[in-house]
Amino acid sequence: DIVMTQSPDSLAVSLGERATINCKSSQSVLYSSNNKNRLVWYQQKPGQPPKVLIAWASTRESGVPDRFSGSVSGTDFTLTISSLQAEDVAVYYCQQHYSPPYTFGQGTKLEIK
Amino acid sequence: EVQLVESGGMLVQPGGSLRLSCAASGFTFSSFWMHWVRQAPGKGLVWVSHIKGDGTITNYADSVKGRFTISRDNAENTLYLQMNSLRAEDTAVYYCAKDSWYLNSWGQGTLVTVSS
Repeated sequence: DIVMTQSPDSLAVSLGERATINCKSSQSVLYSSNNKNRLVWYQQKPGQPPKVLIAWASTRESGVPDRFSGSVSGTDFTLTISSLQAEDVAVYYCQQHYSPPYTFGQGTKLEIK
Repeated sequence: EVQLVESGGMLVQPGGSLRLSCAASGFTFSSFWMHWVRQAPGKGLVWVSHIKGDGTITNYADSVKGRFTISRDNAENTLYLQMNSLRAEDTAVYYCAKDSWYLNSWGQGTLVTVSS
């Protein structure tokens, strides 16, 4: 199974500042057909289902604010929120959609400092 | 608009069985893989199972293999999860999700509580 390791477990950032969440996969999730990584970032707020922010490691989902961005270096993935807004308080998860079981990271809880 | 509505969650005793349903609308149900993902109270997301559009391929997490069965009725646009030999650790909100290269649409979830 592919293990997804997120860091940190929790993060407190001031409004307007940058937030960075990391996710490392235990093996490559690079899809050879399009040379893109099958890595998804979700945002989950209390009492709600997860919402897709970023797919294919760096493609922002329609309607997601452009302060959210994703990047990749090998098997290391990063979600960046360039200027934290109050509504960004949530838990963030990465997930590999490369091979079953489609494992999630353990989650990162983002709060306002 | 894609809609996924789960139902069937309830309180059940350890060792019991339960069948969850997910009613789908707003897309051609039979064309898409579908998934179940669960989340224990206060915990993270855990992938449970998925099924191909025509129902011919299924996969399961090791934690549920041999106890849970995923199925679908494409005529009724409904996804199912039959859960047998339930344990306390199966207590969770169960979400169904549509797969368009990734899980881009989710239901609101249904709560399963396994307790005596």
